[in-house]
Amino acid sequence: AQSVAQPEDQVNVAEGNPLTVKCTYSVSGNPYLFWYVQYPNRGLQFLLKYITGDNLVKGSYGFEAEFNKSQTSFHLKKPSALVSDSALYFCAVRDRDNYGQNFVFGPGTRLSVLP
Amino acid sequence: EAQVTQNPRYLITVTGKKLTVTCSQNMNHEYMSWYRQDPGLGLRQIYYSMNVEVTDKGDVPEGYKVSRKEKRNFPLILESPSPNQTSLYFCASSSTPLGQGGYEQFFGPGTRLTVL
Repeated sequence: AQSVAQPEDQVNVAEGNPLTVKCTYSVSGNPYLFWYVQYPNRGLQFLLKYITGDNLVKGSYGFEAEFNKSQTSFHLKKPSALVSDSALYFCAVRDRDNYGQNFVFGPGTRLSVLP
Repeated sequence: EAQVTQNPRYLITVTGKKLTVTCSQNMNHEYMSWYRQDPGLGLRQIYYSMNVEVTDKGDVPEGYKVSRKEKRNFPLILESPSPNQTSLYFCASSSTPLGQGGYEQFFGPGTRLTVL
C-alpha cells in the first residue's frame, strides 16, 4: 500500500532564509510524486511534480524538490522564503506501475515564514 | 477558464437528511476524485473515477456514494449523513492518458459540511 509521511507538523523559518519541507513515501512500484500548497480558505494548488529524469524538479513560485530514490524522499525547498509562502503544504504519491490506484496525500506541514 | 467547481460551498444539515454535493470540471479530464480534509489527517480519498461509469473506492468510502454518468460531473452523495461526516470536502480532476498516471490534479474550492 502507498503511504506518505511528512514528519514535521509545523516549520518556522525567517523571511529570506532557505526553507525545507520534508516528505518520505512508500509505494510498491515506482512513484509519481507531487507537492501542493493550500492557502487559508482555498483549495489545493499544484506546485511541482516528479515523473522521471532529473532528480531536481523546479516548480511554481521559486520552489523546487529533490527526488531521492535510495532515501524514498521528495523534500520541498526554496532558497529564500517569503512571508507569502506561509501556508499548508501537502506531499502526494501515486504508484507509477499501478496508476489506476488512487493518489495518497501526506498529513500536511504548516509553514510559517516570520518577517 | 479551466476550473473545477463545487456546490454548495457551505452546508449545514441534520443527521439522516440525504444530500448531494456537485462537482463539475471543464477540462475534459478522465480522472475525478473526492477527498475529505480533517485536521491532523490531511486529505483522505473517498472515491475516484477513472472515466465515465468507472468508479472505485478510496480509503474512506463508508457512508458515501458517487456516480459518473457524464465525463464532466462527479457528484458525492451522502444518503444518511452523520456527525462524523462533518468535514471539508474537495473534488479534483486530472488528465490520465492511457498508461500515464503522472498528471497533477486540479482541485475545486471545497465544500464545508456540518452535520448536526
